[in-house]
Amino acid sequence: DGGITQSPKYLFRKEGQNVTLSCEQNLNHDAMYWYRQDPGQGLRLIYYSQIVNDFQKGDIAEGYSVSREKKESFPLTVTSAQKNPTAFYLCASSQPGRRTNEAFFGQGTRLTVV
Amino acid sequence: RKEVEQDPGPFNVPEGATVAFNCTYSNSASQSFFWYRQDCRKEPKLLMSVYSSGNEDGRFTAQLNRASQYISLLIRDSKLSDSATYLCVVNMVDSSYKLIFGSGTRLLVRP
Repeated sequence: DGGITQSPKYLFRKEGQNVTLSCEQNLNHDAMYWYRQDPGQGLRLIYYSQIVNDFQKGDIAEGYSVSREKKESFPLTVTSAQKNPTAFYLCASSQPGRRTNEAFFGQGTRLTVV
Repeated sequence: RKEVEQDPGPFNVPEGATVAFNCTYSNSASQSFFWYRQDCRKEPKLLMSVYSSGNEDGRFTAQLNRASQYISLLIRDSKLSDSATYLCVVNMVDSSYKLIFGSGTRLLVRP
């Protein structure tokens, strides 16, 4: 079955550590996205990528970094510069240009700083 | 002004009621529109795409008003299982391609 896989589902990080969240898709989608969701809030865009080896900052990119070396993979690194990283992180992909260009989501990663 | 705005609610309605949500967007270049449903502590899932001609899927009807830059979602005969957060999503196509989510409208359907 095609879909998006995020791992791990739960992640605990000590303050001052960098941590990388994995996102893999086998939908052959060109566009991929990372969102952050805080309790009771909507989704805020961190980074997005329209094509391999290219990505753009979203609204809250500070303290995060990404890479897009392969079409199917879009890992997100939460750096020590991110002051309040505890949140629910969602990865999504879509195929621009199609009439049905909706986004499909992974199950998310819950990151907690301890 | 936010690019996509929704009333956060909550909308608290009895079973069987009809409820409507609106979502406004600021970028007139927006091309695609969607409604997603998100259950507590889960990922969002597509409920409906919103087409210019409007579309209906069972108890759910979505409309697009480009002139006033809003989309709407109507739920008829509400069920307890409709309780969730409903997210409006807009595809911004200017120099890039990105999906912007509204903050969501929470719906509570009571017995």
